[in-house]
Amino acid sequence: EVQLVQSGAEVKKSGESLRISCKGSGYRFSDYWIEWVRQMPGKGLEWMGTIFPGDSQTIYSPSFQGQVTFSADKSVSTVYLQWSSLKASDTAMYYCARLVCSSPTCPREAHWFDPWGQGTLVTVSS
Amino acid sequence: QSVLTQPPSASATPGQRVTISCSGSSSNVGINAVNWYQQLPGTAPKVLIYSHNHRPSGVPDRFSGSKSGTSASLAISGLQSEDEADYYCAAWDDSLNGWVFGGGTRLTVL
Repeated sequence: EVQLVQSGAEVKKSGESLRISCKGSGYRFSDYWIEWVRQMPGKGLEWMGTIFPGDSQTIYSPSFQGQVTFSADKSVSTVYLQWSSLKASDTAMYYCARLVCSSPTCPREAHWFDPWGQGTLVTVSS
Repeated sequence: QSVLTQPPSASATPGQRVTISCSGSSSNVGINAVNWYQQLPGTAPKVLIYSHNHRPSGVPDRFSGSKSGTSASLAISGLQSEDEADYYCAAWDDSLNGWVFGGGTRLTVL
């Protein structure tokens, strides 16, 4: 079974650093982009960016560029989302998701997200 | 403000058919595939429809997707109580060079 399992909920203070993880199993982890998606309390989904575990290539949404850092360790099939200095406005649920398509030659716009991790709730107090 | 526009809410009674719209532009829905995600209460989203109208295995054929121009729609027929969830449309945006989502539609089964 293809699965993404995320690390547990975190409670931090403003200014602290944090790294959360997303571990894949059931497929060749290095071959698929992993997307990060934010969901603030009571709000919709926002795409943060993506990382390719095979070579750690990253693409950030302009809204999140410079605010977070993606990294990967393919030896343990895990990608990470990191903050160097958290803000109260970072309080949200964060999801990772695998980017898939029906053929290896699909253009990016023909892909979809499947599966999703269970989410990591990050709570930042001021 | 989301790039793709969805009605914030929809409702219907069990057994009825409901349609959820998703309005975009020529840089996203107009030229790229539209995907729909279902988020049941307290859970992570899951793909419901991909590439406009394809269902992953395990998704009932009560769910269907369509697209016309810069708008897309998700239709649910034979509505069931377990369909009560938030539904999101998504597409790649060529101008923003990123994935964009609708604001989500909360479906209530009366």
